[in-house]
Amino acid sequence: DAGITQSPRHKVTETGTPVTLRCHQTENHRYMYWYRQDPGHGLRLIHYSYGVKDTDKGEVSDGYSVSRSKTEDFLLTLESATSSQTSVYFCAINPGQGAGANVLTFGAGSRLTVL
Amino acid sequence: DQQVKQNSPSLSVQEGRISILNCDYTNSMFDYFLWYKKYPAEGPTFLISISSIKDKNEDGRFTVFLNKSAKHLSLHIVPSQPGDSAVYFCAASYIKAAGNKLTFGGGTRVLVKP
Repeated sequence: DAGITQSPRHKVTETGTPVTLRCHQTENHRYMYWYRQDPGHGLRLIHYSYGVKDTDKGEVSDGYSVSRSKTEDFLLTLESATSSQTSVYFCAINPGQGAGANVLTFGAGSRLTVL
Repeated sequence: DQQVKQNSPSLSVQEGRISILNCDYTNSMFDYFLWYKKYPAEGPTFLISISSIKDKNEDGRFTVFLNKSAKHLSLHIVPSQPGDSAVYFCAASYIKAAGNKLTFGGGTRVLVKP
């Protein structure tokens, strides 16, 4: 998937536990994103990053935090998972400028189930 | 309030016929539109896009039409093939906005019958 790796691909956890999803890219792209996909809602932006240690909120950021300490890694953390956070999470990357600047490339997704 | 809407959650079409997928948006600031295709257990993949300065863009079997006055775009697939069976997402962005973020519609599941 164009140098994007998400881990874990599947996770089952219990309500109240912390969860961290990892996105790793080998494309040296400036922008990285976390989206969640839910039936009827399509993909909704949780958080995005426009550089190392530079992040901003998306439309559904409550209950989530992110960190980007290196260009290649973007972490999504659920501090205390809830059942409403059961979803498929997709990481995406974008070069920020030049060819392909308006197109996001997605990873394969991480399916999270919160019991 | 959804800024990008795909009002048809599903579409069934015979192989060889045309598939028409529709998408409406409400934010007049959007100036770049994309279609993504998604197979089960995979990430969305980019299919085709159109800038607001155009009203049509064609790539092989796929054509996207944009009607800015109606805030409406459509994707035509001709001829439809069984491998086109997937979920299709419409997305929009405002090029000058920070972050190159995309706003997605809810998706349309397409089934192409042999």
